[in-house]
Amino acid sequence: GIQVEQSPPDLILQEGANSTLRCNFSDSVNNLQWFHQNPWGQLINLFYIPSGTKQNGRLSATTVATERYSLLYISSSQTTDSGVYFCAVGFTGGFKTIFGAGTRLFVKA
Amino acid sequence: KAGVTQTPRYLIKTRGQQVTLSCSPISGHRSVSWYQQTPGQGLQFLFEYFSETQRNKGNFPGRFSGRQFSNSRSEMNVSTLELGDSALYLCASSLSTGGTTEAFFGQGTRLTVV
Repeated sequence: GIQVEQSPPDLILQEGANSTLRCNFSDSVNNLQWFHQNPWGQLINLFYIPSGTKQNGRLSATTVATERYSLLYISSSQTTDSGVYFCAVGFTGGFKTIFGAGTRLFVKA
Repeated sequence: KAGVTQTPRYLIKTRGQQVTLSCSPISGHRSVSWYQQTPGQGLQFLFEYFSETQRNKGNFPGRFSGRQFSNSRSEMNVSTLELGDSALYLCASSLSTGGTTEAFFGQGTRLTVV
């Protein structure tokens, strides 16, 4: 069936470290987004990236649609980066967006 | 421009009651999707409305229903509340339907059923 898998499930970093979060998906997509959920529950848009590479400050993302994965890079992590990162995928012909289970990131000072 | 607005932010209800949550999308967006987030089940799709029509529905019982008005504002209703309905309810606004365009989320409504 249609699946979105994120790894790792949990990640603990020292402030200043770099990290890579991965999202694997099971079928062709027409939409892929990365979100950061803040402690109050709001989902903050990071990237809309069904294919290609984008960068925004210390964050960047790459989606290789033909190989069915996307990566989110966080460089020089800060304590404010802590939270849960979600990958959300709209599958071609699927008519809805499916979320992965998320990666819970904790950045230590 | 204004973002997605959900009201109320917090609710406490008793088992058996019903509740109505509201979502106002970004101006010009005609699609509103609703999600339930619980610690055990993650983010689960409830349903999507586009141009006042329900376009897709997740695997939730009939106690969960929704509607969309001509101004694209949407409401979801949960009847005969159960303890397991305690969750964060999030709505997403997007230009087009079916998960094909970028979605923007509101701050959510945190529902507690006691």
